[in-house]
Amino acid sequence: GAVVSQHPSWVICKSGTSVKIECRSLDFQATTMFWYRQFPKQSLMLMATSNEGSKATYEQGVEKDKFLINHASLTLSTLTVTSAHPEDSSFYICSASGERAAYEQYFGPGTRLTVT
Amino acid sequence: SQKIEQNSEALNIQEGKTATLTCNYTNYSPAYLQWYRQDPGRGPVFLLLIRENEKEKRKERLKVTFDTTLKQSLFHITASQPADSATYLCALGGASGSARQLTFGSGTQLTVLP
Repeated sequence: GAVVSQHPSWVICKSGTSVKIECRSLDFQATTMFWYRQFPKQSLMLMATSNEGSKATYEQGVEKDKFLINHASLTLSTLTVTSAHPEDSSFYICSASGERAAYEQYFGPGTRLTVT
Repeated sequence: SQKIEQNSEALNIQEGKTATLTCNYTNYSPAYLQWYRQDPGRGPVFLLLIRENEKEKRKERLKVTFDTTLKQSLFHITASQPADSATYLCALGGASGSARQLTFGSGTQLTVLP
């Protein structure tokens, strides 16, 4: 149990375009979803926390107008990188937690974004 | 300033030995601590959670200790196997923001040599 999927697994886009990444919890209801970014050989940096049906809470330094997060249902959250630039190229990972084991986070496989 | 340090960036050990990974933190007061395994190009996989009032947790070949006085957690893999080779991340829970938020260390890359 506790499977989280992400789509796409990798994407290449041109500078100035927008990209949407989906995160789904497949076999449990995710009351909270988290979005992280990871640069090579670095740790995961939390970007934002989203609770179903409410606005996401962004970490300091993360532009909410650039990284749009929607958590419309208990099984789906999306991250849209708007007007992407090469410096947005990174590995984006979502995680989800439910009510049963509230402190355990289940991570998706990640999405590799390359902006050219 | 707040810091999470995981011993070395890379650790090589011989198959069958016990691997011990260290996670030290400063200026945090986590309610719990978790260990994750991450393979290249993949998301982390949850291994163990230990709460601030627990000293030790075990799961199969894995053992975690948590010393809130020393501000340190040790992660042990006994009878290590080449399949255990991966990057291991420690994460502090409830240390900042909401109780569910995790703050990650930079990881230790473990290689188990056959």
